[in-house]
Amino acid sequence: AQKITQTQPGMFVQEKEAVTLDCTYDTSDQSYGLFWYKQPSSGEMIFLIYQGSYDEQNATEGRYSLNFQKARKSANLVISASQLGDSAMYFCAMRGEFKRGGADGLTFGKGTHLIIQP
Amino acid sequence: DTAVSQTPKYLVTQMGNDKSIKCEQNLGHDTMYWYKQDSKKFLKIMFSYNNKELIINETVPNRFSPKSPDKAHLNLHINSLELGDSAVYFCASSQDRGLAGETGELFFGEGSRLTVL
Repeated sequence: AQKITQTQPGMFVQEKEAVTLDCTYDTSDQSYGLFWYKQPSSGEMIFLIYQGSYDEQNATEGRYSLNFQKARKSANLVISASQLGDSAMYFCAMRGEFKRGGADGLTFGKGTHLIIQP
Repeated sequence: DTAVSQTPKYLVTQMGNDKSIKCEQNLGHDTMYWYKQDSKKFLKIMFSYNNKELIINETVPNRFSPKSPDKAHLNLHINSLELGDSAVYFCASSQDRGLAGETGELFFGEGSRLTVL
């Protein structure tokens, strides 16, 4: 079983500052994947970034980067130069090992509500 | 073209009624899911299907019955609706064969907001 912990229920950040959203995970699987999703007030779930457990480099996608520290079991999301449009709920999620015929999906954390202030 | 589409987007109904939500994906994925997002925004898996076969059936009241007529469709029928069923229900799909390049990313529909009065 996988477990995701997000300890920041809410964050206020000034526009243009960098933001770090915390995520720790727990799993007994050797191979796994870590994800971040964004959910704006309109409600849709938007995939942001992925990190595989065997990836040696931290994942980056535009202004998003994932600070992966395997020994600490953490997968923090870093948003550089925050914008007003970044205000949303952010969810950290993970999957375990792929299994034949498996469809375990992702386990989600409780989310962080990020508000960017002008 | 919408990759994962679910209908209806909004459902308002009385306690005790029966309702259905439909989901279709055109991504060619093998696996489809239903997730429930409660009022505190917590996302929890309810069911998953792989090639029309039920794989995950979490602790969900048996008033909830999923049905997958083919691997591109997954519907959710709810009998005898209760106040506590009010939530946003997300359909999602993924490719979970573990092949190179596959991450297991979930592709979500827009969600169906169910309000039970």
